Amino acid sequence: AQTVTQSQPEMSVQEAETVTLSCTYDTSESDYYLFWYKQPPSRQMILVIRQEAYKQQNATENRFSVNFQKAAKSFSLKISDSQLGDAAMYFCAYAKSGGSNYKLTFGKGTLLTVNP
Amino acid sequence: DAGVTQSPTHLIKTRGQQVTLRCSPKSGHDTVSWYQQALGQGPQFIFQYYEEEERQRGNFPDRFSGHQFPNYSSELNVNALLLGDSALYLCASSLFSYEQYFGPGTRLTVT
Repeated sequence: AQTVTQSQPEMSVQEAETVTLSCTYDTSESDYYLFWYKQPPSRQMILVIRQEAYKQQNATENRFSVNFQKAAKSFSLKISDSQLGDAAMYFCAYAKSGGSNYKLTFGKGTLLTVNP
Repeated sequence: DAGVTQSPTHLIKTRGQQVTLRCSPKSGHDTVSWYQQALGQGPQFIFQYYEEEERQRGNFPDRFSGHQFPNYSSELNVNALLLGDSALYLCASSLFSYEQYFGPGTRLTVT
């Protein structure tokens, strides 16, 4: 069974600084997707960034980027120029590729605090 | 374009009772997935519905059941509620894609 581990229950960062959230996963599959989701205090889960395992290039979305190390099964999220609105719970998630019935497996999350 | 909606927002039930939660998917989406998020945990997959049938199921007992209607909306039913069923229940919709859009959730408290 696939598992996703987030070893940092809480992280904090100063506004405008950079922070990196860690995630490791375990799977025997070779083709899959990895995601970072953000869950603000209002609860609605929002997709931040995704990475296809077959792509060697790391995904980037504005201030958000990932460091995908397939051999190490590591998938970290870097937030640059942190903003107060980035404060939220961040979840790393995995989905096996193939077909259309994607089931997400989540880590336990990292609570990010942004200090002004 | 309405996103995923869920009702009710909050619900308080007593042990042993039954509950029904509702979800309307994002416009154009035909697949609905349900997740349970216990306090301080990540969401756990309950099941997924497509074309009115349960397509995948996570490690949840038969007390958890669901339904999808012809308009793609969905219900999650939980029978014989236990204290441990207290959680945030999230609905997510998708269309032939790994990209799932989540609703705001229903907070269920079992006393």
